[in-house]
Amino acid sequence: KQEVTQIPAALSVPEGENLVLNCSFTDSAIYNLQWFRQDPGKGLTSLLLIQSSQREQTSGRLNASLDKSSGRSTLYIAASQPGDSATYLCAVTSSNTGKLIFGQGTTLQVKP
Amino acid sequence: SQTIHQWPATLVQPVGSPLSLECTVEGTSNPNLYWYRQAAGRGLQLLFYSVGIGQISSEVPQNLSASRPQDRQFILSSKKLLLSDSGFYLCAWSSQVYEQYFGPGTRLTVT
Repeated sequence: KQEVTQIPAALSVPEGENLVLNCSFTDSAIYNLQWFRQDPGKGLTSLLLIQSSQREQTSGRLNASLDKSSGRSTLYIAASQPGDSATYLCAVTSSNTGKLIFGQGTTLQVKP
Repeated sequence: SQTIHQWPATLVQPVGSPLSLECTVEGTSNPNLYWYRQAAGRGLQLLFYSVGIGQISSEVPQNLSASRPQDRQFILSSKKLLLSDSGFYLCAWSSQVYEQYFGPGTRLTVT
């Protein structure tokens, strides 16, 4: 059974810092991995999608990497801003079932 | 471009009352559709998914049901709500490449 774990559960950093959020998964049989952002009381916004054959994806100040063999992904946020404060969720699409399996999320607070 | 709508945005219902949440998608055809629940302090739980009209798969036994009467419409229902049905309900759609896009969600409070 696929399990997705995100570390840390919460993170507080001063504005301007570069930071890394971690995601691990137990079954390497994945179709892709997605990083989402969720603001309080809101839906999920897709940030980056990495196909299983890819190593990384970049969008602006965000860079996500994928090491399928070790079951790990990282989301790198450069020059963090208070507007980056949110919960970040990692999810993998199982290539066996086609279903999206989520981690518990990392709640990020960027202090001005 | 594709958009996904959910309504209502918030709902307060007494225990034992019925429920109907609606999700519609625009700008795409034959999407895969999903219902998730996010309970306080817990992760997202997949409740139902649908690959076509009238085709519903249930992920967990529960007090809820889902229907897909039209290609781009997905409805979550209950005949009698329980306190444990409270949560944040999210609808999502995906194309065949499995990237999922989420709606704004419905906050349900059962009192």
